[in-house]
Amino acid sequence: AQKVTQAQTEISVVEKEDVTLDCVYETRDTTYYLFWYKQPPSGELVFLIRRNSFDEQNEISGRYSWNFQKSTSSFNFTITASQVVDSAVYFCALGDSNYQLIWGAGTKLIIKP
Amino acid sequence: SQTIHQWPATLVQPVGSPLSLECTVEGTSNPNLYWYRQAAGRGLQLLFYSVGIGQISSEVPQNLSASRPQDRQFILSSKKLLLSDSGFYLCAWGPQGYEQYFGPGTRLTVT
Repeated sequence: AQKVTQAQTEISVVEKEDVTLDCVYETRDTTYYLFWYKQPPSGELVFLIRRNSFDEQNEISGRYSWNFQKSTSSFNFTITASQVVDSAVYFCALGDSNYQLIWGAGTKLIIKP
Repeated sequence: SQTIHQWPATLVQPVGSPLSLECTVEGTSNPNLYWYRQAAGRGLQLLFYSVGIGQISSEVPQNLSASRPQDRQFILSSKKLLLSDSGFYLCAWGPQGYEQYFGPGTRLTVT
């Protein structure tokens, strides 16, 4: 079965701490894509990253980094030196062979000043 | 660049009333279009998706329907709203591939 698990329902850290959001996926496909989206309090989902199954290089974009490991079926997201503006719900998703996204339940991240 | 519009932003409707939510995309052609619903504090539930004009696939049986009368227009409708239809409705578009880009959403409260 295709599935995405975000085991952390809510994480709360103090500003400037580093925080990692976990994402574990299950798929039968050999070619697939993984995504992270951010949903701030305003509600609109913001696309952060897409990673395909053949590219296991880690990605860094400013304070954001992503660690993709096929051996453990994980695609974790780390925010370095967190800021209050990072407070949001973060969703991990898996793109299946029918071009549909299978969504995790989301992790609510609270950054306290 | 591509832009996706949704309206209205908020809506309060009585039980049994009809519903029409509209979504339009600019700056692209032949996009995949999606309607999602998100209950308060919950994840995303795919309701409908469309790969072309008049082509609608339903993911969840319910009293909602969708239509795509034009290439870049996607409409979500109901003839009679239920209390359980309350939620945050998100429209998304995607190129013929995987990633999806979301509109600002409509918060629907059925009273």
